[in-house]
Amino acid sequence: QVQLVQSGAEVKKPGASVKVSCKASGYTFTSYDINWVRQATGQGLEWMGWMNPNSGNTGYAQKFQGRVTMTRNTSISTAYMELSSLRSEDTAVYYCARVPSISSNWFDPWGQGTLVTVSS
Amino acid sequence: SYVLTQPPSVSVAPGQTARITCGGNNIGSKSVHWYQQKPGQAPVLVVYDDSDRPSGIPERFSGSNSGNTATLTISRVEAGDEADYYCQVWDSSSDHPVFGTGTKVTVL
Repeated sequence: QVQLVQSGAEVKKPGASVKVSCKASGYTFTSYDINWVRQATGQGLEWMGWMNPNSGNTGYAQKFQGRVTMTRNTSISTAYMELSSLRSEDTAVYYCARVPSISSNWFDPWGQGTLVTVSS
Repeated sequence: SYVLTQPPSVSVAPGQTARITCGGNNIGSKSVHWYQQKPGQAPVLVVYDDSDRPSGIPERFSGSNSGNTATLTISRVEAGDEADYYCQVWDSSSDHPVFGTGTKVTVL
């Protein structure tokens, strides 16, 4: 079955960077876009950006421009999201999610989430 | 940017029908998708393209969309339906997805 498995929880200090991985299985990794969405505790869902695993093309939400980088390693079917210059407000669960077809704009499935805690 | 507004909470008795609204300017012209998120879990798609259900989602979940309001309807509500629900559309003007504010469904 289609599955996205993310890396484990991280604790970072303000100003540091974090890199979260998302390993895909059950489908051809390069065929479908991967998006990243985050959720602060008790808050709603916030879209961060997308990446085309085939071309490596990316698009980022304006809020994260200059701080986020989305990359991939096709040989191991893994997408990455790196967020730099971390601040306390970046404490959240970060999810990767697949766009299930070229003509769709919804997300299915989602990874299990990675908690990133930013604290001094 | 495009804004989607949901009621913060909806309460429903078991066996009854829950209706969750998602308001947006002329949302009827867009495709609306709905996600269910249980505590400590990732969101799960329950309805896409206004009213289609992914495989494995019970027929009790249905959707509609017209004018300025989209609605997710949960029929014959069960205790296991207690969760947060989010609507989502693609905002063509900014070329990115937008999520609703989320609705917590409580089963009495």
